[in-house]
Order: sequence, then structure tokens, then C-alpha cells
Amino acid sequence: GAGVSQSPRYKVAKRGQDVALRCDPISGHVSLFWYQQALGQGPEFLTYFQNEAQLDKSGLPSDRFFAERPEGSVSTLKIQRTQQEDSAVYLCASSLRDKPYEQYFGPGTRLTVT
Amino acid sequence: AQSVTQLDSQVPVFEEAPVELRCNYSSSVSVYLFWYVQYPNQGLQLLLKYLSGSTLVESINGFEAEFNKSQTSFHLRKPSVHISDTAEYFCAVSLNYGGSQGNLIFGKGTKLSVKP
Repeated sequence: GAGVSQSPRYKVAKRGQDVALRCDPISGHVSLFWYQQALGQGPEFLTYFQNEAQLDKSGLPSDRFFAERPEGSVSTLKIQRTQQEDSAVYLCASSLRDKPYEQYFGPGTRLTVT
Repeated sequence: AQSVTQLDSQVPVFEEAPVELRCNYSSSVSVYLFWYVQYPNQGLQLLLKYLSGSTLVESINGFEAEFNKSQTSFHLRKPSVHISDTAEYFCAVSLNYGGSQGNLIFGKGTKLSVKP
């Protein structure tokens, strides 16, 4: 079946603009994760959903970051008033409820803030 | 808190040579262990995992990793590498307890470069 998809694959934003990044998880996957991967670093956890409930947002770096998954499927990560330090690859992953640690990753969205 | 250390940021090796990518972790609770691979311009792919049982785990393309609890290590090895193994490899852990939400904690990655 289809894997995790993310759009857009690349996004260039001017400092101060708002951006929205989309994630389509694997059908039937209850758990959804967002990670941020800065250049030369490993991915870092941002937030976690189980169905439509956001159960953990401890990794969001500031209140400019907001994520939602209103119908328990597609998720959107929104970044308001982007800053240069937001430049990174944003990865989405999904997994089954009983194996949350076995995550399938999308290709990521590379965000460049100029 | 948990952490993962990958000591080598880059590992150059000649084709058909053996390779070891090192990974050490720190955790006060039991963890699951993973290796992910990221080929250029592609997403992360699960290479292999240790959940329980035999401490030696293998992938379908010849990689293996051994969980060593006393040394808190999960090093990745391959006896003979191919050009196509050129990629970045990430070690990761996830907390192992009932109800854990499963988010992964990654190392900084090791870039494996296989030369002809």
C-alpha cells in the first residue's frame, strides 16, 4: 500500500511568513509523529497524535509552532512568523497503535527561511 | 532522560571491506533499539530493530547489530559493503514500557561513504 506522504517537498519562506506542512499517514495508522531534522543533526521529536488527540507537544520549540489532526488522519504542522532557525527538514511518521515505536517515515518537507 | 551517541559522523570505506558504525545509548529505563537508513533525497527507512530475545538482529541486506546491555551499545556491522550502502545511518531508541507513546530519540547520524 501507499506509504506516508508529505507536501510540499520543498518550501521557501521569507522570514515572518506563515507556512503549513501536510502529512498523509498510512491508512489505519492511529499514531502520528512530527520530527524536526536540522542540518547535520538527527531528527528531534516535536509532537505526537493518537487519532485526533494531540497527546504530547512537549517538543514544539515555541508557541509559533502548531499541529493539528482534526479527523484523525491527515495532519498539518503550521509555523507562524517563520524565523531563520526554523529552517530544517520536517519529518512525519505514522505507526499502529500496538507498535508505536515501529514508525514509517515520509520523505520530509525541507523548509528554508530566507 | 535518554540520549543516543553516534561517535563517528563520517565513515569512509572501500567496497567489499567490513564496516562498523558505533552507537551507544543512555537510559534509566529499558529501551527498544533501532537503526534507520536515509539514502540521498529519501526518507528514513527502518533497517533493523531490537525489541527482545536474541541480542543479535539482522537485516535483509546483510547488516547486523548486537545489543550489549552492559556496554549500552547497539553497533551496526556489515562484513562486506557495497557502493549502494552509501547513505546516512541513524541509531535510535524508544522507551520500553507499557503505555509508552513510542517517540524515537535519535543520534546525530553517521554518513557511510563506500568508495570503489
